[in-house]
Amino acid sequence: DTAVSQTPKYLVTQMGNDKSIKCEQNLGHDTMYWYKQDSKKFLKIMFSYNNKELIINETVPNRFSPKSPDKAHLNLHINSLELGDSAVYFCASSQDAGAGNQPQHFGDGTRLSIL
Amino acid sequence: QQQVKQSPQSLIVQKGGISIINCAYENTAFDYFPWYQQFPGKGPALLIAIRPDVSEKKEGRFTISFNKSAKQFSLHIMDSQPGDSATYFCAATAPARQLTFGSGTQLTVLP
Repeated sequence: DTAVSQTPKYLVTQMGNDKSIKCEQNLGHDTMYWYKQDSKKFLKIMFSYNNKELIINETVPNRFSPKSPDKAHLNLHINSLELGDSAVYFCASSQDAGAGNQPQHFGDGTRLSIL
Repeated sequence: QQQVKQSPQSLIVQKGGISIINCAYENTAFDYFPWYQQFPGKGPALLIAIRPDVSEKKEGRFTISFNKSAKQFSLHIMDSQPGDSATYFCAATAPARQLTFGSGTQLTVLP
Protein backbone atom coordinates (compact mmCIF):
# COMPACT_ATOMS: atom_id res chain seq x y z
CA ASP A 1 0.00 0.00 0.00
CA THR A 2 1.36 3.37 -1.01
CA ALA A 3 1.69 5.63 2.05
CA VAL A 4 1.59 8.96 0.20
CA SER A 5 0.10 8.90 -3.27
CA GLN A 6 -0.07 11.69 -5.81
CA THR A 7 -1.99 11.99 -9.04
CA PRO A 8 -1.28 12.52 -11.80
CA LYS A 9 2.33 11.36 -12.12
CA TYR A 10 2.81 13.49 -15.23
CA LEU A 11 0.99 16.67 -16.20
CA VAL A 12 1.61 18.45 -19.47
CA THR A 13 -0.39 21.57 -20.15
CA GLN A 14 -0.40 24.95 -21.83
CA MET A 15 0.68 28.21 -20.30
CA GLY A 16 -2.22 30.08 -18.76
CA ASN A 17 -4.22 26.98 -17.84
CA ASP A 18 -5.42 26.07 -14.34
CA LYS A 19 -4.56 22.63 -12.99
CA SER A 20 -4.74 20.59 -9.81
CA ILE A 21 -2.59 17.88 -8.28
CA LYS A 22 -4.11 15.52 -5.75
CA CYS A 23 -2.41 14.00 -2.73
CA GLU A 24 -3.61 11.40 -0.26
CA GLN A 25 -1.85 9.83 2.72
CA ASN A 26 -2.97 6.70 4.56
CA LEU A 27 -0.52 7.04 7.46
CA GLY A 28 -2.88 8.85 9.78
CA HIS A 29 -0.52 11.82 9.89
CA ASP A 30 -1.62 15.22 11.09
CA THR A 31 0.49 17.39 8.80
CA MET A 32 0.90 17.49 5.03
CA TYR A 33 3.28 19.45 2.81
CA TRP A 34 3.89 20.48 -0.75
CA TYR A 35 7.43 20.82 -2.09
CA LYS A 36 8.75 22.01 -5.44
CA GLN A 37 11.87 20.39 -6.90
CA ASP A 38 13.45 22.32 -9.74
CA SER A 39 15.59 21.07 -12.59
CA LYS A 40 18.69 21.24 -10.39
CA LYS A 41 16.93 19.01 -7.84
CA PHE A 42 16.72 21.75 -5.27
CA LEU A 43 13.84 21.02 -2.86
CA LYS A 44 11.87 23.94 -1.57
CA ILE A 45 8.88 23.85 0.75
CA MET A 46 5.78 25.57 -0.53
CA PHE A 47 3.18 24.86 2.14
CA SER A 48 2.68 22.94 5.32
CA TYR A 49 -0.82 22.32 6.61
CA ASN A 50 -2.57 20.63 9.50
CA ASN A 51 -6.04 21.07 10.87
CA LYS A 52 -4.88 24.06 12.82
CA GLU A 53 -2.58 26.03 10.66
CA LEU A 54 -1.55 26.73 7.11
CA ILE A 55 2.01 27.92 6.75
CA ILE A 56 2.84 29.45 3.41
CA ASN A 57 6.34 30.02 2.16
CA GLU A 58 6.39 33.72 1.40
CA THR A 59 8.11 33.16 -1.94
CA VAL A 60 5.22 31.11 -3.32
CA PRO A 61 3.04 33.08 -5.78
CA ASN A 62 -0.60 33.35 -4.79
CA ARG A 63 -1.47 31.48 -7.98
CA PHE A 64 -0.71 28.39 -5.91
CA SER A 65 -3.24 27.37 -3.30
CA PRO A 66 -3.57 24.25 -1.14
CA LYS A 67 -6.99 22.74 -0.52
CA SER A 68 -7.58 20.18 2.20
CA PRO A 69 -10.99 18.46 2.21
CA ASP A 70 -9.90 16.30 5.18
CA LYS A 71 -6.85 15.30 7.16
CA ALA A 72 -5.80 12.66 4.67
CA HIS A 73 -5.87 14.87 1.59
CA LEU A 74 -4.03 17.99 0.51
CA ASN A 75 -4.52 19.06 -3.08
CA LEU A 76 -2.56 21.74 -4.90
CA HIS A 77 -4.35 24.13 -7.23
CA ILE A 78 -2.37 26.24 -9.65
CA ASN A 79 -3.93 29.08 -11.60
CA SER A 80 -2.60 30.78 -14.72
CA LEU A 81 0.32 28.42 -15.17
CA GLU A 82 3.63 29.93 -16.24
CA LEU A 83 6.70 28.43 -17.88
CA GLY A 84 8.62 28.76 -14.62
CA ASP A 85 6.15 26.47 -12.89
CA SER A 86 7.64 23.50 -14.71
CA ALA A 87 9.08 21.27 -11.98
CA VAL A 88 8.42 18.15 -9.98
CA TYR A 89 5.97 18.70 -7.13
CA PHE A 90 6.13 16.45 -4.11
CA CYS A 91 3.53 15.90 -1.46
CA ALA A 92 4.68 14.74 1.96
CA SER A 93 3.24 14.05 5.39
CA SER A 94 4.46 13.77 8.96
CA GLN A 95 2.98 12.88 12.29
CA ASP A 96 3.30 16.28 13.90
CA ALA A 97 4.83 19.41 12.41
CA GLY A 98 4.95 21.07 15.79
CA ALA A 99 7.61 18.68 17.01
CA GLY A 100 9.77 19.64 14.05
CA ASN A 101 11.60 16.36 14.16
CA GLN A 102 9.17 13.88 12.73
CA PRO A 103 10.19 12.02 9.57
CA GLN A 104 8.48 13.22 6.48
CA HIS A 105 7.08 10.65 4.07
CA PHE A 106 7.09 11.73 0.44
CA GLY A 107 5.01 10.74 -2.53
CA ASP A 108 6.67 9.90 -5.85
CA GLY A 109 6.07 13.33 -7.31
CA THR A 110 4.12 14.93 -10.13
CA ARG A 111 6.19 16.14 -13.06
CA LEU A 112 4.56 19.31 -14.39
CA SER A 113 5.59 20.51 -17.83
CA ILE A 114 4.31 23.77 -19.22
CA LEU A 115 4.30 24.17 -22.99
CA GLN B 1 19.49 32.70 1.57
CA GLN B 2 20.66 29.12 1.77
CA GLN B 3 20.54 28.05 5.39
CA VAL B 4 22.03 24.61 4.80
CA LYS B 5 25.01 24.38 2.45
CA GLN B 6 25.81 20.97 0.99
CA SER B 7 28.86 19.71 -0.88
CA PRO B 8 29.91 18.23 -3.18
CA GLN B 9 27.25 18.65 -5.85
CA SER B 10 28.23 15.30 -7.36
CA LEU B 11 30.39 12.43 -6.22
CA ILE B 12 31.74 9.36 -7.98
CA VAL B 13 33.04 6.49 -5.87
CA GLN B 14 34.27 3.02 -6.66
CA LYS B 15 32.39 0.05 -5.26
CA GLY B 16 33.63 -0.68 -1.78
CA GLY B 17 34.86 2.86 -1.22
CA ILE B 18 33.73 5.45 1.30
CA SER B 19 31.34 8.20 0.20
CA ILE B 20 31.43 11.42 2.22
CA ILE B 21 28.94 14.26 1.88
CA ASN B 22 29.26 17.42 3.93
CA CYS B 23 26.79 20.00 5.14
CA ALA B 24 27.11 23.26 7.06
CA TYR B 25 24.44 25.35 8.70
CA GLU B 26 24.15 28.81 10.21
CA ASN B 27 21.01 28.77 12.32
CA THR B 28 21.95 27.71 15.85
CA ALA B 29 18.28 27.01 16.58
CA PHE B 30 18.41 23.92 14.36
CA ASP B 31 18.07 20.83 16.53
CA TYR B 32 17.33 17.96 14.17
CA PHE B 33 19.44 16.97 11.19
CA PRO B 34 18.07 14.27 8.88
CA TRP B 35 19.47 12.88 5.67
CA TYR B 36 17.18 11.89 2.84
CA GLN B 37 17.91 9.58 -0.08
CA GLN B 38 16.18 10.02 -3.43
CA PHE B 39 16.21 7.56 -6.31
CA PRO B 40 15.25 8.67 -9.85
CA GLY B 41 11.51 8.95 -10.26
CA LYS B 42 10.88 8.63 -6.54
CA GLY B 43 10.36 10.96 -3.64
CA PRO B 44 13.01 11.51 -0.98
CA ALA B 45 13.03 8.96 1.85
CA LEU B 46 14.47 9.39 5.32
CA LEU B 47 17.80 7.58 5.62
CA ILE B 48 19.20 8.55 9.01
CA ALA B 49 18.92 11.49 11.40
CA ILE B 50 20.84 12.97 14.32
CA ARG B 51 20.33 15.44 17.15
CA PRO B 52 23.10 17.83 18.23
CA ASP B 53 23.49 16.19 21.63
CA VAL B 54 25.48 13.34 20.04
CA SER B 55 28.54 13.52 17.82
CA GLU B 56 27.91 10.41 15.79
CA LYS B 57 25.12 8.06 14.80
CA LYS B 58 25.56 4.85 12.88
CA GLU B 59 22.99 2.70 11.13
CA GLY B 60 24.48 -0.13 9.14
CA ARG B 61 26.85 1.29 6.55
CA PHE B 62 25.57 4.84 7.06
CA THR B 63 27.08 7.16 9.67
CA ILE B 64 26.34 10.79 10.50
CA SER B 65 29.15 12.78 12.11
CA PHE B 66 28.12 15.99 13.83
CA ASN B 67 30.32 18.90 14.91
CA LYS B 68 28.21 21.36 16.86
CA SER B 69 30.93 23.97 17.40
CA ALA B 70 31.74 24.09 13.70
CA LYS B 71 28.06 23.84 12.74
CA GLN B 72 28.82 21.04 10.34
CA PHE B 73 27.58 17.52 9.81
CA SER B 74 28.42 14.85 7.31
CA LEU B 75 27.17 11.54 5.95
CA HIS B 76 29.60 8.69 5.52
CA ILE B 77 28.63 5.65 3.46
CA MET B 78 30.99 2.78 4.12
CA ASP B 79 31.53 -0.01 1.58
CA SER B 80 29.57 1.95 -1.03
CA GLN B 81 27.50 -0.17 -3.41
CA PRO B 82 26.06 0.55 -6.87
CA GLY B 83 22.62 0.37 -5.25
CA ASP B 84 23.56 3.40 -3.17
CA SER B 85 23.65 5.52 -6.34
CA ALA B 86 21.08 8.23 -5.66
CA THR B 87 20.75 11.87 -4.72
CA TYR B 88 21.35 12.61 -1.05
CA PHE B 89 19.95 15.61 0.76
CA CYS B 90 20.95 16.87 4.15
CA ALA B 91 18.34 18.87 6.02
CA ALA B 92 17.81 20.74 9.24
CA THR B 93 14.91 21.98 11.30
CA ALA B 94 14.29 23.98 14.41
CA PRO B 95 11.42 23.29 16.84
CA ALA B 96 8.05 23.91 15.25
CA ARG B 97 9.75 25.02 12.07
CA GLN B 98 9.78 23.62 8.57
CA LEU B 99 12.46 21.39 7.18
CA THR B 100 15.22 23.15 5.23
CA PHE B 101 17.04 21.03 2.67
CA GLY B 102 20.55 21.29 1.33
CA SER B 103 21.05 21.46 -2.42
CA GLY B 104 21.65 17.72 -2.87
CA THR B 105 24.55 15.48 -3.85
CA GLN B 106 24.28 13.09 -6.75
CA LEU B 107 26.23 9.97 -5.80
CA THR B 108 27.35 7.47 -8.40
CA VAL B 109 28.96 4.24 -7.25
CA LEU B 110 30.83 2.51 -10.02
CA PRO B 111 30.72 -1.32 -10.13
